[in-house]
Amino acid sequence: SQELEQSPQSLIVQEGKNLTINCTSSKTLYGLYWYKQKYGEGLIFLMMLQKGGEEKSHEKITAKLDEKKQQSSLHITASQPSHAGIYLCGAASNTGNQFYFGTGTSLTVIP
Amino acid sequence: NAGVTQTPKFRVLKTGQSMTLLCAQDMNHEYMYWYRQDPGMGLRLIHYSVGEGTTAKGEVPDGYNVSRLKKQNFLLGLESAAPSQTSVYFCASSYSGRVRFFGPGTRLTVL
Repeated sequence: SQELEQSPQSLIVQEGKNLTINCTSSKTLYGLYWYKQKYGEGLIFLMMLQKGGEEKSHEKITAKLDEKKQQSSLHITASQPSHAGIYLCGAASNTGNQFYFGTGTSLTVIP
Repeated sequence: NAGVTQTPKFRVLKTGQSMTLLCAQDMNHEYMYWYRQDPGMGLRLIHYSVGEGTTAKGEVPDGYNVSRLKKQNFLLGLESAAPSQTSVYFCASSYSGRVRFFGPGTRLTVL
């Protein structure tokens, strides 16, 4: 099965600071998806990256995909308490039937 | 549209009891998935379905059974619950094998 390793496992930052979360795959990536989960709630889809070198932004969150390195990064600029939660990356298997998630990164933003 | 719904939201079982979790989606999606989420382990795929009448095993299928008799419903069953099955269970659905829609989760405790 595909393994998605995220780093760091947890992150505590001061409000206003920038931060980066990484997701590395054990197999070739056929697209990479990012999600956010507020504590005790379900997952919310943030964005998907389908091509190597692709970069997408949503408000203050930017994600990039490096297919050659089989990894993606999620960057938050000027973090706010509303950014707090668990961030997960996800990717489909090469058959496209199974969908796997990373180990998750817990983000705390201190006001 | 209700999206993806899960029933029940919370449940406490005694070891050896059985139960069924219901996932329903009203988006006419072909793909449906059951995941469990445990601290520090992200989401792990239990079983999935690529269409009505079909099911397949994911990463951690032992102790669980599923059925997809109707396209909109995906049932997850625990025949004889064990404390190791204490977890938060999430259902998801998609039209393309790329997961974007999640249910709110079911918190299960097995004593």
